[in-house]
Amino acid sequence: QKEVEQNSGPLSVPEGAIASLNCTYSDRVSQSFFWYRQYSGKSPELIMSIYSNGDKEDGRFTAQLNKASQYVSLLIRDSQPSDSATYLCAVGSNDYKLSFGAGTTVTVRA
Amino acid sequence: EPEVTQTPSHQVTQMGQEVILRCVPISNHLYFYWYRQILGQKVEFLVSFYNNEISEKSEIFDDQFSVERPDGSNFTLKIRSTKLEDSAMYFCASEDGTAETQYFGPGTRLLVL
Repeated sequence: QKEVEQNSGPLSVPEGAIASLNCTYSDRVSQSFFWYRQYSGKSPELIMSIYSNGDKEDGRFTAQLNKASQYVSLLIRDSQPSDSATYLCAVGSNDYKLSFGAGTTVTVRA
Repeated sequence: EPEVTQTPSHQVTQMGQEVILRCVPISNHLYFYWYRQILGQKVEFLVSFYNNEISEKSEIFDDQFSVERPDGSNFTLKIRSTKLEDSAMYFCASEDGTAETQYFGPGTRLLVL
């Protein structure tokens, strides 16, 4: 069973601050890593993908991957109230399916 | 921007009835998936489909479930005899096979009474 673990939160941050989300995974052969944002009652929306160790930046979002530690994180800089959502960590292996974490709920206080 | 579409958005059915959930994946994508999310729980993989056959399925995807790509655009999930515990959001996703990135449709909320 491939496990993906996330802090459930809720994570509350003031507007303009950095939100830091963490995710660990159990399957060492995992090759692809994704962060999805899910608003209540809606479908997962892809924010970031990362495949190799290090950092990847896209606008206000930075994903970090450390395969040796089986750890992936997401930083949201300059958090906005519209960033309030549940953030899902998803891990893919060579079987072309994604294993999801339970998600971290983020609330950005105006 | 191309997107995955799903119909219906909501479906209410009686226990024991058959339901068919429909999806239109992004047109040049090759891999298709169904996931489900029970209220308050994590997104769970059900099945993946490539080259007109199932490539992987989870233990949830038992004999009551089937998938089909009846034409060049639609991808369907059939539940033959629904149970109360089948109540969930069902998401279709598709992938072009190069970036391993799956794009999700808006989902069908299924309620079994």
